[in-house]
Amino acid sequence: IQLTQSPSSLSASVGDRVTITCRASQDISRYLAWYQQKPGKAPKLLIYAASTLQSGVPSRFSGSGSGTDFTLTISSLQPEDFATYYCQQLNSNLALTFGGGTKVEIK
Amino acid sequence: QITLKESGPTLVKPTQTLTLTCTFSGFSLATTEVGVGWIRQPPGKALEWLGIIYWNNDKQYSPSLKNRLTITKDTSKNQVVLTMTNMDPGDTGTYYCAHRLVQWFGALYLGWFDPWGQGTRVIVSS
Repeated sequence: IQLTQSPSSLSASVGDRVTITCRASQDISRYLAWYQQKPGKAPKLLIYAASTLQSGVPSRFSGSGSGTDFTLTISSLQPEDFATYYCQQLNSNLALTFGGGTKVEIK
Repeated sequence: QITLKESGPTLVKPTQTLTLTCTFSGFSLATTEVGVGWIRQPPGKALEWLGIIYWNNDKQYSPSLKNRLTITKDTSKNQVVLTMTNMDPGDTGTYYCAHRLVQWFGALYLGWFDPWGQGTRVIVSS
């Protein structure tokens, strides 16, 4: 299974609404997670089951989608949100593949 | 509180075998539905899932690397060991281990990686 993220990078300003897409090469229902990674740090879980926010994650983050097309949305970008975001498929019957990442940079 | 920490050599030579240990606390690999996974990240590149071992000793490996990987566990020591053979400069990167708990979530039977260890850097060079 392959996960394709787009865009690979984007520039945005504080307060902007940002949307990142993850497309699966086959139907994975809602078996998808999103992670945030900052430079030099381990990834941090944001969302699982495509749309469920991990405890402690700000509500400006949201996820949607099912099947092959998924999105991560940041409703109002904050300075601490500049990072790289990865999707991962979570079906144990398949390889636990990650997407190629989307780097969110300051405009 | 669950914590994981990776350890092992920083520098390995091409063709050598890499052995990394993940030492964890706050959970047991004897507990049903629990697993520990390995993920790596070449410098400046994306995350790559390597494999996972579960409480019942079931293992799953990345199809592209399965011929080079072995994952074992020592439940009494709270450790998981990753072995990767025939190391190449392209295997340079940061290697992470992470906790996974698989559970029913509505109609979905899934688990995510949380938390992760801090990662350990591995350089493959002669």
